[in-house]
Amino acid sequence: DTGVSQNPRHKITKRGQNVTFRCDPISEHNRLYWYRQTLGQGPEFLTYFQNEAQLEKSRLLSDRFSAERPKGSFSTLEIQRTEQGDSAMYLCASSPGRDEQYFGPGTRLTVT
Amino acid sequence: GIQVEQSPPDLILQEGANSTLRCNFSDSVNNLQWFHQNPWGQLINLFYIPSGTKQNGRLSATTVATERYSLLYISSSQTTDSGVYFCAVEVVWGTDKLIFGTGTRLQVFP
Repeated sequence: DTGVSQNPRHKITKRGQNVTFRCDPISEHNRLYWYRQTLGQGPEFLTYFQNEAQLEKSRLLSDRFSAERPKGSFSTLEIQRTEQGDSAMYLCASSPGRDEQYFGPGTRLTVT
Repeated sequence: GIQVEQSPPDLILQEGANSTLRCNFSDSVNNLQWFHQNPWGQLINLFYIPSGTKQNGRLSATTVATERYSLLYISSSQTTDSGVYFCAVEVVWGTDKLIFGTGTRLQVFP
C-alpha cells in the first residue's frame, strides 16, 4: 500500500528561479489537493483537482503559481520567479471523494 | 470564514500522563480530521470523525457537531507522541478543502 508521494523532498533555489514540484496520489483517489505551510502555522489550502479538472484556487495562489493534473493521476505545482516569501512546506493530499484526506511527506522549499 | 481554534497552544507532559486537546469551530462542518505532525513535517492521520466517538489504542476522539467542538484524548503519553496536533474541518457550505486549526504543540519528556 503506497501512500501519497512527493518529489523532491527538499528544494533550495535562488530568488527569481522557477521550481516545479510533483505529487503522486494514492492510486484511484480522484481528488488531489495542494496546501502550503509556513513556519509555526497550520497548512493553508492552495488548490484542488477532481480528476484532471482544477475546481478551486485559493487567493493565495498568485499568478506566479500554476498547477496541473494532466491525466487525472499525478500533479505538478510550478512557481515562477520565486520570491523569499514563497519559502514554505508544500503539501499534497489525496482522497477517494469528499472523504478523509491523506497527506504526502511534503516538499520543503527554501528561496535564498 | 470559519474559525478553528485549538487549545491549549502548548502542552508539556511527563511520560505516562494523560491529556485532552480541544478543537472549537465556528460553523457547521461535514468533515473533521485530527492529525499528528511529526518533527519531519509529515501529517499523520489520527481520526476522521465528523461526529461521535472513536478509539484507536491510547488515543480517542469525540466530536459534538451540534456544539461545534471536538476533543482528542491521549492516555499514557509516550515521548513519540511529541509533535504538533492539528484538527482540520471541511465546512458544510464550502468545497472539499480542509481548514486547519491553530495547532497544539505537545512535548512529552521521559
